[in-house]
Amino acid sequence: SQQGEEDPQALSIQEGENATMNCSYKTSINNLQWYRQNSGRGLVHLILIRSNEREKHSGRLRVTLDTSKKSSSLLITASRAADTASYFCATLFSGGYNKLIFGAGTRLAVHP
Amino acid sequence: EAGVTQSPTHLIKTRGQQATLRCSPISGHTSVYWYQQALGLGLQFLLWYDEGEERNRGNFPPRFSGRQFPNYSSELNVNALELEDSALYLCASSLTTTSGGGNEQFFGPGTRLTVL
Repeated sequence: SQQGEEDPQALSIQEGENATMNCSYKTSINNLQWYRQNSGRGLVHLILIRSNEREKHSGRLRVTLDTSKKSSSLLITASRAADTASYFCATLFSGGYNKLIFGAGTRLAVHP
Repeated sequence: EAGVTQSPTHLIKTRGQQATLRCSPISGHTSVYWYQQALGLGLQFLLWYDEGEERNRGNFPPRFSGRQFPNYSSELNVNALELEDSALYLCASSLTTTSGGGNEQFFGPGTRLTVL
């Protein structure tokens, strides 16, 4: 079964609003990475957060990690229509030999 | 700096044929990964190569194989193609991983394989 599970499966918001996506996982991890995918194309790497980190920022993106709850969240502030995409969390679990385990993704639609 | 490149963009084959997909990593990256994104199955890890050696393999049959060349580029070969092999195949690269920590994996645009 997949390690990461995203919630919600789909999210529809207006431009300017914030979007929050959540990810839960099952085993101990080394790091957790968030990716964006536009229309079935390649994945764009957004942020990597390591197991000893609690929060990271990159531009309009904020990622948190709670290892006690085995969960992470991705916040996109002041969303734009160009943020419309699928967002995936991927975990590298301890002893995982660099194998990323992906969740099913959240489909985000940002309406002008 | 050029990102991960993959070729071809699209590939159409018939059942039983062989497919070869190619990947060039980001300059300086020695690790190459292959993932399959099939409809309804999500993104699944296929293979990891580092310094020319296969380091890890996902839960795929032996007809999925590959190799990494001295320049760190990689090939994925799929033999005896089946209809369910139709998918987007994504290649990623990273710096040589340090023990335990892992590094960011950067993905290419993918090769869409269609098996008829």
